[in-house]
Amino acid sequence: DGGITQSPKYLFRKEGQNVTLSCEQNLNHDAMYWYRQDPGQGLRLIYYSQIVNDFQKGDIAEGYSVSREKKESFPLTVTSAQKNPTAFYLCASSIRTLGYGYTFGSGTRLTVV
Amino acid sequence: EDQVTQSPEALRLQEGESSSLNCSYTVSGLRGLFWYRQDPGKGPEFLFTLYSAGEEKEKERLKATLTKKESFLHITAPKPEDSATYLCAVQAENSGGSNYKLTFGKGTLLTVNP
Repeated sequence: DGGITQSPKYLFRKEGQNVTLSCEQNLNHDAMYWYRQDPGQGLRLIYYSQIVNDFQKGDIAEGYSVSREKKESFPLTVTSAQKNPTAFYLCASSIRTLGYGYTFGSGTRLTVV
Repeated sequence: EDQVTQSPEALRLQEGESSSLNCSYTVSGLRGLFWYRQDPGKGPEFLFTLYSAGEEKEKERLKATLTKKESFLHITAPKPEDSATYLCAVQAENSGGSNYKLTFGKGTLLTVNP
């Protein structure tokens, strides 16, 4: 079955540490997205990529980095520059056609310890 | 700037008590309005897409409707398993040149008591 796989489900980060969240899709979607979800704030866009080897900053990109070396993969690195990284992170993908929504992964909960 | 406002923030119903959730939007040319269901600790699950005013779509106990300014998600005779957060999102006509961006509301947390 096609879908999006995020791993790990839970991740703990020490102060000053970089961590990488994995996102893999087998839907043959061109576009991929990373969102952050905090209680009471809804989904906020971190980065997005429409094609391989190209990505753009979203609304809250500071302290995060991404790569898109393969169509299927869009990993997100939370760097030590992100001062408040504790959140629920969602990866999504879509085809590049207006009128189509996103397919979401199951999320990664990141906690700073 | 595209905006989506969902109300109420939280809704508590008794099993079988029908109600509606509201999604008001401001967008420069609506290309699509999307409803998602999100269970705690999981990713949003797609429910419906609506494209034009007057359109309606149904799935089991849920029916989504669309006007030029808002969308409603009607829940008929809800069951406890309908408890979840329901998210609304819009896509603008001019978003294709950028990122096919969806703008999300903050969601409505629905609790259905047995």
